Amino acid sequence: GENVEQHPSTLSVQEGDSAVIKCTYSDSASNYFPWYKQELGKGPQLIIDIRSNVGEKKDQRIAVTLNKTAKHFSLHITETQPEDSAVYFCAASKIQFYFGTGTSLTVIP
Amino acid sequence: KAGVTQTPRYLIKTRGQQVTLSCSPISGHRSVSWYQQTPGQGLQFLFEYFSETQRNKGNFPGRFSGRQFSNSRSEMNVSTLELGDSALYLCASSLGDRDGYTFGSGTRLTVV
Repeated sequence: GENVEQHPSTLSVQEGDSAVIKCTYSDSASNYFPWYKQELGKGPQLIIDIRSNVGEKKDQRIAVTLNKTAKHFSLHITETQPEDSAVYFCAASKIQFYFGTGTSLTVIP
Repeated sequence: KAGVTQTPRYLIKTRGQQVTLSCSPISGHRSVSWYQQTPGQGLQFLFEYFSETQRNKGNFPGRFSGRQFSNSRSEMNVSTLELGDSALYLCASSLGDRDGYTFGSGTRLTVV
């Protein structure tokens, strides 16, 4: 089956700096890569996704890049704000979703 | 539109008991998946239902079961509860195979 690895497990940045979270996957057939944000006491919320026919996608301060050859994809958050503090999960999917182990992001005011 | 609704939000059960959790997906979503979330194991896939049929199953013992009704609402059942079953159980719905999930807020199960 698919194996998704996510790094780092924890990340602290100063407000206004950028944050980057990286994931690798093993199954070259995976073709859909969503990112989720989970705040305390809530379920994960989809924040951005990318499909295998696209290399990069951006939505305001959030961007995702995909390198199919290397089988890795990354989440980039620019101009971080305290409300960006949460746990972020990547996932890879062909049909079934496989999640990374999560990154706890802390934005220090 | 209403999101994914999971009930109850919190549950405390004793070892050996059984429990049933409920999930109402977003209207129109026919796929419902269940995940177990624990601090040590992350998000572990339990099963997925589509049009009342179990389409995929994760690597959990037979004590974990589920079903989906004709209105797409889903239930999962855990029998003979163990302490290690304490976790946040998340339900997610989607339109189809190539769409992202929308998660509910989860049911926090504590087994004592």
